[in-house]
Amino acid sequence: KQEVTQIPAALSVPEGENLVLNCSFTDSAIYNLQWFRQDPGKGLTSLLLIQSSQREQTSGRLNASLDKSSGRSTLYIAASQPGDSATYLCAASGNTPLVFGKGTRLSVIA
Amino acid sequence: NAGVTQTPKFRILKIGQSMTLQCTQDMNHNYMYWYRQDPGMGLKLIYYSVGAGITDKGEVPNGYNVSRSTTEDFPLRLELAAPSQTSVYFCASSYLAGYPYEQYFGPGTRLTVT
Repeated sequence: KQEVTQIPAALSVPEGENLVLNCSFTDSAIYNLQWFRQDPGKGLTSLLLIQSSQREQTSGRLNASLDKSSGRSTLYIAASQPGDSATYLCAASGNTPLVFGKGTRLSVIA
Repeated sequence: NAGVTQTPKFRILKIGQSMTLQCTQDMNHNYMYWYRQDPGMGLKLIYYSVGAGITDKGEVPNGYNVSRSTTEDFPLRLELAAPSQTSVYFCASSYLAGYPYEQYFGPGTRLTVT
């Protein structure tokens, strides 16, 4: 059974700092891995989707990497801004639909 | 496109009552999903559908029922509501499963059972 873990559970950084969010999964037989952003009281917004054969995907200040062999993915946020404050969830897709981690709650302090 | 829409946004139920959470997508997606999110937790899959007339259980299906009579709609039915069903419910859809077909989420329904 796939299990997804995100560390840390919460993170507070000053504005302008580069940061890394971590995601690990137990079953490396995944099809893809997806990173989402969730604002308080809102739904999920897809940020990046990485196919299992890919190593990374980039969108603006965001870069997501995937290492299937070690069961890890990271989300790198460059030059963080207060508007980046949200909960970030990763989810792995394999033989069953997406399995989610519990998320990392990010606060960027101005 | 409106994307994925859910109604109602909020609902309070008494124990034992029933209700239907509505979900509609206008993107002609084949796959639709229902998740629940408890405080401080990730999302857990309740049911999903790969097309009209086809549904399958997810990780936490007990206490829920679904149907998929059209491509656009995927309602979730709660029978005999229990306090353990207090949660935020999200509907999602995707054209197909897997890369590059990402899932799109609705805004959620916040349900309280007292």
